[in-house]
Amino acid sequence: AQKVTQAQTEISVVEKEDVTLDCVYETRDTTYYLFWYKQPPSGELVFLIRRNSFDEQNEISGRYSWNFQKSTSSFNFTITASQVVDSAVYFCALSEARSSASKIIFGSGTRLSIRP
Amino acid sequence: KAGVTQTPRYLIKTRGQQVTLSCSPISGHRSVSWYQQTPGQGLQFLFEYFSETQRNKGNFPGRFSGRQFSNSRSEMNVSTLELGDSALYLCASSLGSGGSSGNTIYFGEGSWLTVV
Repeated sequence: AQKVTQAQTEISVVEKEDVTLDCVYETRDTTYYLFWYKQPPSGELVFLIRRNSFDEQNEISGRYSWNFQKSTSSFNFTITASQVVDSAVYFCALSEARSSASKIIFGSGTRLSIRP
Repeated sequence: KAGVTQTPRYLIKTRGQQVTLSCSPISGHRSVSWYQQTPGQGLQFLFEYFSETQRNKGNFPGRFSGRQFSNSRSEMNVSTLELGDSALYLCASSLGSGGSSGNTIYFGEGSWLTVV
C-alpha cells in the first residue's frame, strides 16, 4: 500500500537557521513521483518540486534543496537560512504510475514556524 | 497565466442542504481533481475528471459527486450536508491524466465550507 509519513508535526526555528523536513514513503510501484507542496494560511497548495523514481539527483533551488534516497525511501526537504515568509505547512506527497497522476497521497504535513 | 480558480472561497451551509463548488483549471489543462482537507483526516482525494469523464474516485460516499464540462471547468456537489463535511475543498488541474505521465498537479486556493 502507498503511504507517506511526515513524522514531524511542528517545527519552530529562529530566522536564518537551517531546517530539514523529513518525508518517508512506501510504495510497491517501481515508477512513482514524489512532490513537495507548501500551504500558507490562505489555503492554496503551492507546488515546490516533483521528482520521479528514476531520478535520484538531489536538487537545489535557491535556499531550498531536496535529498532523494531510494535506499531509505526518503525525500527530505531542507531550507537554508530560513525566513519568516517560509512559515507554512509543508506536505510531502506520492503518486504511483499505475494510478492516476492526479491521485496523490499526501503526508500529514509539517507546520513550520520561523520566529524573527 | 491564470492559476486554478475556485468559487466560492467561503460559504456556510446548514446541515441537510446541498452545495455546489466550482473550479476553473489552468488554461490548456484537461484533468481536474478534487481533494478534501480536514484537520482530522488531512488531505484526501475525492475524484478526478478528464475529458468530461470520471477517471478515478476516492473513498467517499455517494453524496459527493462531480462533473466536468467540455471547457474542462468542473463542479463538485455535496448533497445532504453533514457537520463532518466542513472542510477546505481543493481543486487541482494538470495537463493530462494517467499515472505514467507524472504531470505536475497545480492547486487552487480552495473553498472553505462550514456546515452548521
